[in-house]
Amino acid sequence: GQNIDQPTEMTATEGAIVQINCTYQTSGFNGLFWYQQHAGEAPTFLSYNVLDGLEEKGRFSSFLSRSKGYSYLLLKELQMKDSASYLCAVRDPGSYIPTFGRGTSLIVHP
Amino acid sequence: EAGVTQFPSHSVIEKGQTVTLRCDPISGHDNLYWYRRVMGKEIKFLLHFVKESKQDESGMPNNRFLAERTGGTYSTLKVQPAELEDSGVYFCASSRNSPSGNTIYFGEGSWLTVV
Repeated sequence: GQNIDQPTEMTATEGAIVQINCTYQTSGFNGLFWYQQHAGEAPTFLSYNVLDGLEEKGRFSSFLSRSKGYSYLLLKELQMKDSASYLCAVRDPGSYIPTFGRGTSLIVHP
Repeated sequence: EAGVTQFPSHSVIEKGQTVTLRCDPISGHDNLYWYRRVMGKEIKFLLHFVKESKQDESGMPNNRFLAERTGGTYSTLKVQPAELEDSGVYFCASSRNSPSGNTIYFGEGSWLTVV
């Protein structure tokens, strides 16, 4: 089975840094995705981690520790447009199907 | 490159009626996925096509749901007869030939409300 846990909601200030955590207990692992979803829009791909460590992509970074079943998404220099839902998804090694967490709603305020 | 497109974007139907949702994946993407998000819950997997074949339909809730992908291009998801609990957002997604290590691209979803 798959169990993926993220905080429901987070708030942060424009210009600040925020870290969104994701923990998982899954029967197998073949990579972890982070998606961003604005209300009423499609989830858009942010990052994919399959090996341990930090991957940086502009203002966004994603970290993975497979031994701890843990990932985080780090957003720097927050902008108002970063207010969105952030979805963590773990891919099954057999089917390659990603299983999603409930998402973290991030609110960025001035 | 056009993204994943879904139709209709919104649909309101009465309990017992039929609705058919359509998904056009990104051109050249063999893998097509249907997901559903019910209010307040996580996005849940419904099924996966590789070209025209159903690779995995373990997430389909019951036999009121029928998905097809004739010709391996666009896909339809039919709900017949619709029940109140079928309300939610139905997302379609696609990815390239090899599912391993490839990004899955989502459509904007079809919002279904059953009243």
